[in-house]
Amino acid sequence: AQSVTQLGSHVSVSEGALVLLRCNYSSSVPPYLFWYVQYPNQGLQLLLKYTTGATLVKGINGFEAEFKKSETSFHLTKPSAHMSDAAEYFCAVKSGDSSASKIIFGSGTRLSIRP
Amino acid sequence: GAVVSQHPSWVICKSGTSVKIECRSLDFQATTMFWYRQFPKQSLMLMATSNEGSKATYEQGVEKDKFLINHASLTLSTLTVTSAHPEDSSFYICSARVSGGSSYEQYFGPGTRLTVT
Repeated sequence: AQSVTQLGSHVSVSEGALVLLRCNYSSSVPPYLFWYVQYPNQGLQLLLKYTTGATLVKGINGFEAEFKKSETSFHLTKPSAHMSDAAEYFCAVKSGDSSASKIIFGSGTRLSIRP
Repeated sequence: GAVVSQHPSWVICKSGTSVKIECRSLDFQATTMFWYRQFPKQSLMLMATSNEGSKATYEQGVEKDKFLINHASLTLSTLTVTSAHPEDSSFYICSARVSGGSSYEQYFGPGTRLTVT
């Protein structure tokens, strides 16, 4: 079965600094990977996804992630943090085949931005 | 496009009562819908997968008699929490997959916060 592990339940960076949120996956087949953001008391918003093709994926709000098979990683980055980036971020993986597939989430990383 | 709504957005009920949460795909048909539960400061845990016109598939450890799921149409799935208790208080999020779409795209609703007193 596929799974993801997020390293660090809480990350704090200064405004304007690099954001790096770590995610490692476990999968016996080529994985489909996702990053979602959740603002307080709200649902999920898809930031970006990797399915096949280019390993560097660009998403919304200036975020990007790179799929590294050799490291089984899919870390999320943003060159310059903004106060509005403060939220909970979830890495996720598609588990299962075709019509039986479902999305499984990591434990989440709370991103705080210091002024 | 691909908007999923939930109703209500929040609900408070007394212990022992039942509460129904609706999940609707507003601009697409969804053969498959998913129900997740999120406790405070925790991740989303998949509860069950429902397919239109058939019984839901529950994840291990989820009581199917307590969490009744009905997916009677291609745009509506409901989750009924029966005989609710305070430990059922949580944030419930549904998601839907577009019928005939890719096998991995899931669109998420805004969530329903349930508080059982």
